[in-house]
Amino acid sequence: AQKVTQAQTEISVVEKEDVTLDCVYETRDTTYYLFWYKQPPSGELVFLIRRNSFDEQNEISGRYSWNFQKSTSSFNFTITASQVVDSAVYFCALSDDRGSTLGRLYFGRGTQLTVWP
Amino acid sequence: EAQVTQNPRYLITVTGKKLTVTCSQNMNHEYMSWYRQDPGLGLRQIYYSMNVEVTDKGDVPEGYKVSRKEKRNFPLILESPSPNQTSLYFCASRPRWSSYNEQFFGPGTRLTVL
Repeated sequence: AQKVTQAQTEISVVEKEDVTLDCVYETRDTTYYLFWYKQPPSGELVFLIRRNSFDEQNEISGRYSWNFQKSTSSFNFTITASQVVDSAVYFCALSDDRGSTLGRLYFGRGTQLTVWP
Repeated sequence: EAQVTQNPRYLITVTGKKLTVTCSQNMNHEYMSWYRQDPGLGLRQIYYSMNVEVTDKGDVPEGYKVSRKEKRNFPLILESPSPNQTSLYFCASRPRWSSYNEQFFGPGTRLTVL
């Protein structure tokens, strides 16, 4: 069965600190996709990144970076020099590649990040 | 603009009063689904639809109904809402063939059942 674990329920940091949000996943599929979403206090889901299981290259986008390691089934997300606007709930999600469910998403429980000024 | 819309965005209702949350997408996507989000539980799938007239249960379907009479619309129906259905609801869609299985989410509907 597919499963995503975000062990950190809440994280608090002070502005300019670096912070890493952990995501561990479980799947028996060889082809799968991983996602991170941000949910600001307004409630909408903001897509951040996607990765397929064959692409283990780490990615950097401004202050955001993602570390995908198949050996440990992890897809961690780091925010460098955090800012108050980064305060949000962050979700990690896994999607399979099965035709029967057309790649439904399995979400972790989310990590509430609070960045204090 | 390509988008998924949901209506209403906010709703406060009372136990037992039937309600429908509409979801519409203008991208000609085959696949649509409903999720509910509850604190500490993340998003859980309620129902999904592979195409017109094809629907199936997700992980938490109890107390909900859906229909897919048209490709663009996928309404969520609560025949007799109860307080435990107070939640944030998201509709999502995606094309049948997608390189990354990316889904497009609506803005969410915040439902309170008193």
